[in-house]
Amino acid sequence: QVQLVESGGGVVQPGRSLRLSCAASGFTFGSFGMHWVRQAPGKGLEWVAVIWSDGSNKNSADSVKDRFTISRDNSKNTLYLQMNSLRVEDTALYYCAREGYNDGWPLDNWGQGTLVTVSS
Amino acid sequence: QSALTQPPSASGSPGQSVTISCTGTSSDVGFYDYVSWYQHHPGKAPKLLIYEVSERPSGVPDRFSGSKSGNTASLTVSGLQAEDEADYYCSSFAGSNSYVFGTGTKVTVL
Repeated sequence: QVQLVESGGGVVQPGRSLRLSCAASGFTFGSFGMHWVRQAPGKGLEWVAVIWSDGSNKNSADSVKDRFTISRDNSKNTLYLQMNSLRVEDTALYYCAREGYNDGWPLDNWGQGTLVTVSS
Repeated sequence: QSALTQPPSASGSPGQSVTISCTGTSSDVGFYDYVSWYQHHPGKAPKLLIYEVSERPSGVPDRFSGSKSGNTASLTVSGLQAEDEADYYCSSFAGSNSYVFGTGTKVTVL
């Protein structure tokens, strides 16, 4: 079955960098768009970034634009999120999610998340 | 990319129905028929309940239904069950290759 396993979270100081990974299995990874979504403590879900199935196109939320970069390696079935210039407000549980076949980007499978804490 | 507006909470007794609203703008909910709904039990992965306003993925009970009118979408949970107690989020494609979630609604089964 579809599995998405995030890793790479941890405690980091403001201004530093961190790279998250999402290992995918149980489906043809290179055929699906992928997203990162985060949830700050006590807050709701926030969309972070998307990347096309072949990596040809990507986009991110204004709140992380120019600081976070989404990428993927279809040969390794892995999605990444490079997070630079981290801020306290980036503290959150970060989920990777698969985009379903249907239009409008329904996110049909999610990982369990990896926690990022930005603190001095 | 402002979050879609949902009521913070909703509740109902077992067997009753509860409806959650999701208000966006003419640039997202009102423009695209690409509203999705997710159920999120704390500590677990969110689950897709509805896509394209009213379509259910296989395996989602027909107790869950979605609709849209203008800039507002709605999720109705009929025949409330204890396991329906969770946080619910709407979302919408928002154009320019972006996506937006709602503020979330905590559903309590009384």
